[in-house]
Amino acid sequence: GAGVSQSPSNKVTEKGKDVELRCDPISGHTALYWYRQSLGQGLEFLIYFQGNSAPDKSGLPSDRFSAERTGGSVSTLTIQRTQQEDSAVYLCASSFVPSFLYNEQFFGPGTRLTVL
Amino acid sequence: GNSVTQMEGPVTLSEEAFLTINCTYTATGYPSLFWYVQYPGEGLQLLLKATKADDKGSNKGFEATYRKETTSFHLEKGSVQVSDSAVYFCALTEPYSSASKIIFGSGTRLSIRP
Repeated sequence: GAGVSQSPSNKVTEKGKDVELRCDPISGHTALYWYRQSLGQGLEFLIYFQGNSAPDKSGLPSDRFSAERTGGSVSTLTIQRTQQEDSAVYLCASSFVPSFLYNEQFFGPGTRLTVL
Repeated sequence: GNSVTQMEGPVTLSEEAFLTINCTYTATGYPSLFWYVQYPGEGLQLLLKATKADDKGSNKGFEATYRKETTSFHLEKGSVQVSDSAVYFCALTEPYSSASKIIFGSGTRLSIRP
């Protein structure tokens, strides 16, 4: 079966431009997460979506970052007016949540964003 | 808040050496604990997990035991191989939450010499 997929795999952009990163979760997974992996900050949570609930946006670093999830499936992370410190690998993960206590998150390969 | 502290790397060992990567956590209640691994050029993948105190997670010869009394989840392997070279992340998810974010440690880069 297909895993989590992300596109593009690499994105180079100029400072000040907007970028969109896409995530296709595993079919049937109700929860979707975005994380960022950077040299200075390690792996940090950005946002997650769970079913029809309001997303948890507590990890978004600034209002230039936003994300949406359409139809409970595909998600797009948008970064407006990119800055050099936004350069990182952006990881998406999804999980199926049958249990109250535990869920395993499956990660995509990531999108490497470079802001020049 | 909840957090994870793990041994800083890089760690370099010879093949067949014993491995320990230390991990401690801070959390209220009983989080689920994980070790994730990122092999060169590959995505992040779950290596092992433990969801309650005294549980032992194991996979591919690696083991880690959930120690509530010391708030630790150290990763061990008796005999490492070159193919174990990767970055290892200790992590937790918050307790009593059905779909919660993962809080990661800073990662430990492991290199195994033939």
